[in-house]
Amino acid sequence: KQEVTQIPAALSVPEGENLVLNCSFTDSAIYNLQWFRQDPGKGLTSLLLIQSSQREQTSGRLNASLDKSSGRSTLYIAASQPGDSATYLCALESGGTSYGKLTFGQGTILTVHP
Amino acid sequence: AAGVIQSPRHLIKEKRETATLKCYPIPRHDTVYWYQQGPGQDPQFLISFYEKMQSDKGSIPDRFSAQQFSDYHSELNMSSLELGDSALYFCASSLQVTDTQYFGPGTRLTVL
Repeated sequence: KQEVTQIPAALSVPEGENLVLNCSFTDSAIYNLQWFRQDPGKGLTSLLLIQSSQREQTSGRLNASLDKSSGRSTLYIAASQPGDSATYLCALESGGTSYGKLTFGQGTILTVHP
Repeated sequence: AAGVIQSPRHLIKEKRETATLKCYPIPRHDTVYWYQQGPGQDPQFLISFYEKMQSDKGSIPDRFSAQQFSDYHSELNMSSLELGDSALYFCASSLQVTDTQYFGPGTRLTVL
């Protein structure tokens, strides 16, 4: 059974810092890995999708990497802003017969203070 | 751009009542997923549909059922509601099964 762990559980940084969020998973047989952002009480916004054959994806100030062999992904946020404050979730679409189903980590609560 | 639409956005029910949640996927998306997110929890997969057929099933109680209709919208039916069913219910859709899943705003169900 796929297990997804995110570290740290919470992170507070001053505006302008570069930061890294970590996601680890136990089963490397995945189709893809997706990073989401969730504001309190709101829906999930997809940030980046990395297919299993890819090593990284970039969108603006965000860069996500994937290392299947070590079961790790990182989300790098450059020049953080107060508007980046949210919960960041990584989710995996595993292989086998469960394709389509996403398994989520518990999330990292990010606070960027001015 | 069109997004996933869920209705209602908020729903309050009494124990043992029934509830129906609706999901309208992004146009041309033929795959729909349902997730449940309890307070302070990560989303848990319930069930998914591809081309109107159930494609995968997660930890969905027997009291819940779902289907996808000919216009690709989906409904999640929940019966004999329990206090523990109070949660945010998300619907997501994708163009293909292994493609990016786009989530709707969710339906917040409160069971009293």
